[in-house]
Amino acid sequence: DAGITQSPRHKVTETGTPVTLRCHQTENHRYMYWYRQDPGHGLRLIHYSYGVKDTDKGEVSDGYSVSRSKTEDFLLTLESATSSQTSVYFCAISEPDREFYEQYFGPGTRLTVT
Amino acid sequence: AQSVTQPDIHITVSEGASLELRCNYSYGATPYLFWYVQSPGQGLQLLLKYFSGDTLVQGIKGFEAEFKRSQSSFNLRKPSVHWSDAAEYFCAVGDGNRDDKIIFGKGTRLHILP
Repeated sequence: DAGITQSPRHKVTETGTPVTLRCHQTENHRYMYWYRQDPGHGLRLIHYSYGVKDTDKGEVSDGYSVSRSKTEDFLLTLESATSSQTSVYFCAISEPDREFYEQYFGPGTRLTVT
Repeated sequence: AQSVTQPDIHITVSEGASLELRCNYSYGATPYLFWYVQSPGQGLQLLLKYFSGDTLVQGIKGFEAEFKRSQSSFNLRKPSVHWSDAAEYFCAVGDGNRDDKIIFGKGTRLHILP
């Protein structure tokens, strides 16, 4: 299994509070991604990173920000959590110089905003 | 824009029966195609992928998929399912850019009858 961990694995928070989710990889892959998974929607890309300090928006980026100061860590921040951000969040990594588009996924973080 | 359609939200088959999960894609050039599986409470695992060459690709866990350009399809098959195959299955297509983004279908949940 790819060395990807996500923390926390579960979190319950209140509306309006800031939340940061962490993705850590030990594979030295260049690309990292944050997705959210909701019933009936599959996986939707929030933000991604193609290198340290290089990030870009995905399909559903409103209300989220990301940072990547080291190759191994990719942080997803909800500045002011809303109930619509209750979801399961997955991190993924890829190394396009080795395998085009082949992404490896972390175990997920279940976030509940009350 | 690229898209992936999985027409069946739920599929139920009996243990030992054959399985086919449908996937149709929209893409202008030769696509990069994937099938992922997600067991309950887990992250996504790559089952198989198609980039080029032989249109019948073999994957892990006894799965195979066939790329049919004329039908824009990449259906997943297994000759005899096991109870442990109960999971959600996602078809995905590479979006054609070098930032390695992939677009997921909304998933098909497979139920196995004993």
